[in-house]
Amino acid sequence: QKEVEQDPGPLSVPEGAIVSLNCTYSNSAFQYFMWYRQYSRKGPELLMYTYSSGNKEDGRFTAQVDKSSKYISLFIRDSQPSDSATYLCAMTKGNAGKSTFGDGTTLTVKP
Amino acid sequence: NAGVTQTPKFQVLKTGQSMTLQCAQDMNHNSMYWYRQDPGMGLRLIYYSASEGTTDKGEVPNGYNVSRLNKREFSLRLESAAPSQTSVYFCASSVSRGEQYFGPGTRLTVT
Repeated sequence: QKEVEQDPGPLSVPEGAIVSLNCTYSNSAFQYFMWYRQYSRKGPELLMYTYSSGNKEDGRFTAQVDKSSKYISLFIRDSQPSDSATYLCAMTKGNAGKSTFGDGTTLTVKP
Repeated sequence: NAGVTQTPKFQVLKTGQSMTLQCAQDMNHNSMYWYRQDPGMGLRLIYYSASEGTTDKGEVPNGYNVSRLNKREFSLRLESAAPSQTSVYFCASSVSRGEQYFGPGTRLTVT
């Protein structure tokens, strides 16, 4: 049983759709939650960082954390072909800095 | 401000050869990490360094050694390469709370 489980995908949506990407976790010690975007043959880049339960919005992206259900989501509004990438969730316990990553969900947005 | 840099970008080794992957960051981060990424297996932590002068094993340390040369640089050494070490290697750095910044990766093939 992995500590972090991510919806495997792949996911294919038409341009303009709302996308929901999800991860669940089993350890309540996780306190910091991140989403990374990884384009093909590139390194992951930090997209969103959240600490508390609730929503955090940045442009077309919203990160949601529900600590009671041990569930995090990333929503992408008005999805664009440039959003086509693999999305990785990650979470960290306290200030240790070492993160546990999900296996990633590959998203394709079709024009 | 280059962020995290890695050299080389590509490398082909024969079984039994050795090599060192170099990583440097200019963000004054305390923590640095080495990951490998294989298809279907997500990011797996090889070694990490929480601060200058300290290193710790991650999930898959066998066959690797690391050196935290100073605050900026963290190198990964393969003493006797094996085909199972064919992978994409990413270096990352972070502040203590967990959000990590990744380099562009090194694609290593061992024949």
